[in-house]
Amino acid sequence: EVQLVESGGGLVQPGGSLTLSCAASGFTFSDWSMNWARQAPGRGLEWISYIRGGSDVIYYADSVRGRFTISRDNAKNSLYLQMDSLRDEDTALYYCTRSIEYGLGPSWGRGIFVTVSS
Amino acid sequence: QSALTQPASVSGSPGQSIAISCTGTRSDVGGYNYVSWYQQLPGKAPKLLIYEVTSRPSGVSDRFSGSKSGNTASLTISGLQAEDDGDYYCSSFTSARTIVFGPGTKVTVL
Repeated sequence: EVQLVESGGGLVQPGGSLTLSCAASGFTFSDWSMNWARQAPGRGLEWISYIRGGSDVIYYADSVRGRFTISRDNAKNSLYLQMDSLRDEDTALYYCTRSIEYGLGPSWGRGIFVTVSS
Repeated sequence: QSALTQPASVSGSPGQSIAISCTGTRSDVGGYNYVSWYQQLPGKAPKLLIYEVTSRPSGVSDRFSGSKSGNTASLTISGLQAEDDGDYYCSSFTSARTIVFGPGTKVTVL
């Protein structure tokens, strides 16, 4: 069974940093591109970042470029999102997803909350 | 503000077919066959329904189908069922090497 489990969320002050992790199981992690996406409370979906299996291709949304860094460790079957210079508007439920031809899926994690507030 | 536009809501009776549009530009929907559709039921994570405009992941019902004409993609739900009630989003790869989502469409089964 494919599982994606996010961790590392929580409350952080504006300007602070946080690192999210996503533990993957049930599939050959290195064969799959991965994404991070988020959803602010009561709002729609927002794609954040994409990384190919070999980490040779990485893309970011304009809203996070220069502040967030995506990475992966294929030996540990893990995906990461280093988030720096956090802003109030980064408050959201963050999802880890597999990627199929730039579609987010077919697997999504349950999500992890990040709250940026003083 | 989303780069893609979707109707805010679409409704239909059980058994009917409905279509949801997703309009972009030549820089996204019209320029790439990387349009995807998602279903999000209340309190749940999104589910990928369609990728590459028309392809369905394993396990997704064939009641869901996708198409594209020019800068507009569409998701058709055939044989509407009560469990289809929820929010539906489209996304597209863009010339800026990003992925953009539409604002979402609320589907109501009457």
